[in-house]
Amino acid sequence: SAVISQKPSRDICQRGTSLTIQCQVDSQVTMMFWYRQQPGQSLTLIATANQGSEATYESGFVIDKFPISRPNLTFSTLTVSNMSPEDSSIYLCSVAGGSETQYFGPGTRLLVL
Amino acid sequence: GQQVMQIPQYQHVQEGEDFTTYCNSSTTLSNIQWYKQRPGGHPVFLIQLVKSGEVKKQKRLTFQFGEAKKNSSLHITATQTTDVGTYFCAGRWAGGTSYGKLTFGQGTILTVHP
Repeated sequence: SAVISQKPSRDICQRGTSLTIQCQVDSQVTMMFWYRQQPGQSLTLIATANQGSEATYESGFVIDKFPISRPNLTFSTLTVSNMSPEDSSIYLCSVAGGSETQYFGPGTRLLVL
Repeated sequence: GQQVMQIPQYQHVQEGEDFTTYCNSSTTLSNIQWYKQRPGGHPVFLIQLVKSGEVKKQKRLTFQFGEAKKNSSLHITATQTTDVGTYFCAGRWAGGTSYGKLTFGQGTILTVHP
């Protein structure tokens, strides 16, 4: 299984600002995923990030709001742009392991005031 | 879009009682996976079911995949306080093109009263 770290673990931000979340994996992986989990809710996939190509966004999520970088096979960033209180959530990155199972990072807990 | 429906949303049990959560998909799944998220934690993979009618056990946990590969269940026998958390099923659709892409159910929040 992969070991995944995320930075920051939590943050409190002002509306209108942007936050970049980093995800680091201890091994090279092809696919990385970014999820949002609102309080008490399920996981909603934001986008799939492949190294060397543009991220693929799910319905309801756009690149201007959630730009993603994937510069190499062990790292990715997700930026939450022009934040509003509705963006308060837990943001999780994950990687696909063998048999398409997923391993999650510890998450970034974001509160937007 | 494709969805996985999971019930119940909440379940409160006394320690020692059994617990079951169910997932349903309107279309055939390639596989279904189960994850557990402890309070304040992140989802952790429990198991994957691939074959029609498959049953797998992990100690007090029993996982089933329906014959039509459209539904699944997780049953915990004699719950313990360590079982507290949210249990998610996650479906992978047959014919899906993106490796590893899953759709998560709504989750069942389990509380266990000692």
